This record gives sequence, structure tokens and C-alpha cells, in this order.
Amino acid sequence: GENVEQHPSTLSVQEGDSAVIKCTYSDSASNYFPWYKQELGKRPQLIIDIRSNVGEKKDQRIAVTLNKTAKHFSLHITETQPEDSAVYFCAARDTGRRALTFGSGTRLQVQP
Amino acid sequence: NAGVTQTPKFQVLKTGQSMTLQCAQDMNHNSMYWYRQDPGMGLRLIYYSASEGTTDKGEVPNGYNVSRLNKREFSLRLESAAPSQTSVYFCASRIQGMSNQPQHFGDGTRLSIL
Repeated sequence: GENVEQHPSTLSVQEGDSAVIKCTYSDSASNYFPWYKQELGKRPQLIIDIRSNVGEKKDQRIAVTLNKTAKHFSLHITETQPEDSAVYFCAARDTGRRALTFGSGTRLQVQP
Repeated sequence: NAGVTQTPKFQVLKTGQSMTLQCAQDMNHNSMYWYRQDPGMGLRLIYYSASEGTTDKGEVPNGYNVSRLNKREFSLRLESAAPSQTSVYFCASRIQGMSNQPQHFGDGTRLSIL
């Protein structure tokens, strides 16, 4: 099955700085990579996703890049704000189970 | 349109007790999933149902059973609860058949087993 590793586990930045979270996956057949944001006590919510036929996708202050050759993908948040503070999870779709395999999460803290 | 609804939101059990976690979605999704979330370990797949009438094991199925009652509902049962099953349980759903649609999660069930 798929294995997803995520780094760093915690990340602290100053308001206005950029934040980058990186993930690697093991199954070269995986073709869908979403990112979820989870606030304390809440459900994971999709913030952006990328399919394997593109290398980069942007949505306002958030971007995701995908390197299929190296089997890694990254989340970039620019101009961070205190409300960006949360746990972020990357995931890859396991082509066998057709279910998402998640990374272990990154706790992002944006200091005002 | 409520999305994915889970009941109960909180539950405390004693070791050896049984219970069923309920999940229902109103988005006409084909596929449904159960995950557990433990600190520092992300979300791990317990069971999933690709379509009505089918269920399959995920990464951590031991100690659990599931039922896909109909297209809307997918329940998770703990037959004999153990302290190791203390966790937050999330149900999710997605539409299948369209290219890589996202999963939508419910609010979770916080389960403590004493």
C-alpha cells in the first residue's frame, strides 16, 4: 500500500512570512494529492489538491507543487496570518484501495 | 444539505462493551470511509466501502466491523472495546466514477475507553 511521510512535524513562523510543508509518497501510480487543514477539535477540511497531470496549482495565498519523478509534493503558504495556525495533512490516493493515505501532520503556528 | 453526519459526538465506554458509530451522508456519494485519528499519527483507514454492498479492510481493521446499510449510511462497530481503541473517529465520503474527487469528512466521534 501507499506510504506518505510529512515534514516538519511542527513549524513556527512570523506573521507575513512563508511556510512550506513537504511530503513524499511511495506508490508511483498515485495520481491525486490533496491537502487538508484541521483546526483544533474540528474536522479536516480540504484546502487544495493537485492531480498528477499538473506540476503546480495556486489558490490565492496557497500553492501546491508536485514532482512525480522524485515522488514528493509540497504546500506553500505565503503571507501567513494567525488564522492559518492549524494542523495540515497531506495525502495521496492509494490506487489499490482507492482511499487516501495521510501523512502524520504538521502543526503550523503563525506568531503575530 | 448537512454533508456527512456522525453520531454520537462523544462516548465513554468500559473495556469489553460494544457500540456502533453511525455515519450518514446526503451528497449521493458512492464511497464511504472510516478513519481513526490518534495524536501524532494522522488519520488511518479502518474500513471503506467503494459502493453500496461492498466493504473492504483498510490499514487498521482489527477489532472493528462495518455495515454499509444503504447508499447513505455506513456504520462502524466495536464488538468488545479495548483502551487501545480510544481515539477520534472520522467518517468520510466521496463520489466515485469522476476523476479524483475529494473526500468530505464528518465532525468526528470522540471515543474514550476506560
